[in-house]
Amino acid sequence: DSGVTQTPKHLITATGQRVTLRCSPRSGDLSVYWYQQSLDQGLQFLIQYYNGEERAKGNILERFSAQQFPDLHSELNLSSLELGDSALYFCASSLDRVYSGNTIYFGEGSWLTVV
Amino acid sequence: AQKVTQAQTEISVVEKEDVTLDCVYETRDTTYYLFWYKQPPSGELVFLIRRNSFDEQNEISGRYSWNFQKSTSSFNFTITASQVVDSAVYFCALRERSGGYQKVTFGTGTKLQVIP
Repeated sequence: DSGVTQTPKHLITATGQRVTLRCSPRSGDLSVYWYQQSLDQGLQFLIQYYNGEERAKGNILERFSAQQFPDLHSELNLSSLELGDSALYFCASSLDRVYSGNTIYFGEGSWLTVV
Repeated sequence: AQKVTQAQTEISVVEKEDVTLDCVYETRDTTYYLFWYKQPPSGELVFLIRRNSFDEQNEISGRYSWNFQKSTSSFNFTITASQVVDSAVYFCALRERSGGYQKVTFGTGTKLQVIP
């Protein structure tokens, strides 16, 4: 158990719909990351938050948005869903209070299927 | 150019064979960190090891060992006497400072299949 909690674990929804994925980081971790992994693909970095602020953006579509709340949990919102958005979405967290290359721990992922 | 290169896309070995997964990285930082993760078929990403750029000692953990060589910018991972449970995708990752924050870059992964 990495200590990173993601909900829901599985989600099936129709095209055009909107979903929200939720992530609770490990206790004390300030950074939250979101990754997308499509079938048999690598990890696509979407976005990183640090202590409530957006820190880095990757290949995140305009239909997707995220935020990190004051209690450090994070949500990833996916809207106008398309079949190609079906993927495993990971949340990860790391301490990052100072630059020390803290380990990034991953949640179990949220399996999204768009039908 | 890829900052983390895992040139082996897929590897198949027979059980009990040794196998080495290659990872080559690129950074201008003098202080950086390298990681390996395992993703079994069930999907979760499991942290295996973290190594900082100042520690070139090889690490051994059971059947797993890691060879870090700064001279060749490589951080290779060897599984000795492979088992079916080792079948997974393995990712190498690099953390470095970039634009005032700690950037992390993952390789594209190596899929290891251990055949019984």
